[in-house]
Amino acid sequence: QEKVQQSPESLIVPEGAMSSLNCTFSNSASQSIWWYQQHPGKGPEALISIFSNGNKKEGRLTVYLNRASLHVSLHIRDSQPSDSAVYLCAVPNSAGNKLTFGIGTRVLVRP
Amino acid sequence: EAAVTQSPRNKVTVTGGNVTLSCRQTNSHNYMYWYRQDTGHGLRLIHYSYGAGNLQIGDVPDGYKATRTTQEDFFLLLELASPSQTSLYFCASSDARQTNSDYTFGSGTRLLVI
Repeated sequence: QEKVQQSPESLIVPEGAMSSLNCTFSNSASQSIWWYQQHPGKGPEALISIFSNGNKKEGRLTVYLNRASLHVSLHIRDSQPSDSAVYLCAVPNSAGNKLTFGIGTRVLVRP
Repeated sequence: EAAVTQSPRNKVTVTGGNVTLSCRQTNSHNYMYWYRQDTGHGLRLIHYSYGAGNLQIGDVPDGYKATRTTQEDFFLLLELASPSQTSLYFCASSDARQTNSDYTFGSGTRLLVI
């Protein structure tokens, strides 16, 4: 079973700042790694995924993956109050049919 | 729009009671999943299925049964509910035939066992 650890547990940032979240995983042979966003009372929603080492940018989001160090990070540029949510790192098994989730990082963006 | 619908939204039952949580997806996805979410543990996989009549064991299956009756419908059964099963339950679907397929989650069912 995959092990997924996220840090920090929580993060408070001022509006307009960068939010930086980290995730380590146990299996370097994993397929695409996902980040999900979860607002209170809602189910998680997929934000962005990355497969290859390096970085991937989509809008205000940038993801960095280093499989050798079993580490992936998510960076949210120009954070907005609407970005306040729990962010979940999700790593698939080798068959790609099961996701293991981290406990999450709670982000609060202060206006 | 593709969706995953869970019912009920909230449920209270007594210890030893019988509970069925329902999930329907309109995504035409082959895989469906049941997770529970608890503070300090995150989302944990209970059972999953890759098609009607199929059931796969997840990571925390004890005390739970599940049944996939159709491509669209996946049920989670607690036949002798215990207080340790008080949790927030999520159903999800995915199309594992596509590489890099994401999961679509429902809005969750909050279960309280008293």
